[in-house]
Amino acid sequence: AQSVTQPDIHITVSEGASLELRCNYSYGATPYLFWYVQSPGQGLQLLLKYFSGDTLVQGIKGFEAEFKRSQSSFNLRKPSVHWSDAAEYFCAVGALRFGNEKLTFGTGTRLTIIP
Amino acid sequence: DSGVTQTPKHLITATGQRVTLRCSPRSGDLSVYWYQQSLDQGLQFLIQYYNGEERAKGNILERFSAQQFPDLHSELNLSSLELGDSALYFCASSLDRGAGELFFGEGSRLTVL
Repeated sequence: AQSVTQPDIHITVSEGASLELRCNYSYGATPYLFWYVQSPGQGLQLLLKYFSGDTLVQGIKGFEAEFKRSQSSFNLRKPSVHWSDAAEYFCAVGALRFGNEKLTFGTGTRLTIIP
Repeated sequence: DSGVTQTPKHLITATGQRVTLRCSPRSGDLSVYWYQQSLDQGLQFLIQYYNGEERAKGNILERFSAQQFPDLHSELNLSSLELGDSALYFCASSLDRGAGELFFGEGSRLTVL
């Protein structure tokens, strides 16, 4: 069965500092990977996704993620965070041969930004 | 704004009661998904409809049911409510049945007292 692990429940970083959120997955086939962000009181919004090709993918709001097959990881990064990045971040794994009903979400990482 | 509309945003009710949550998908999207988000279970997939027909079931209780109408809006019915049903219920939509971007509504927060 597929699974997603986000080992950090809560991360605090200073505004302007760099950020890396970890995501490890377990999947028997070629994974289709996503990062979603949930701002307070909002639904989830897609930041970026990876299926194939360049293992470094760019997303919205200045985020990027790198797929590392050997490490089964898909970590999210941002070089300089802004106060508006405070939110909850979810990694998800699926497969193109299945639909979204097979998408598995991680438990999320809450990001706090301090001045 | 994702284009997905959910009502009501907040709902408080008592145990044993029945509620209906409504979702209007993004214009043109044929698939509607329902998720439950709680602190202890995280984001759990409940059920998916595609163009009016049920396509997939996840961890949905028998007390819960859903349907998608000809205009593609969907309703999630929760009955015989228990305290543990208190959660945030999200609707999401996508263009088709395959894997791809999901567009989420802002959710309906259900509190069962």
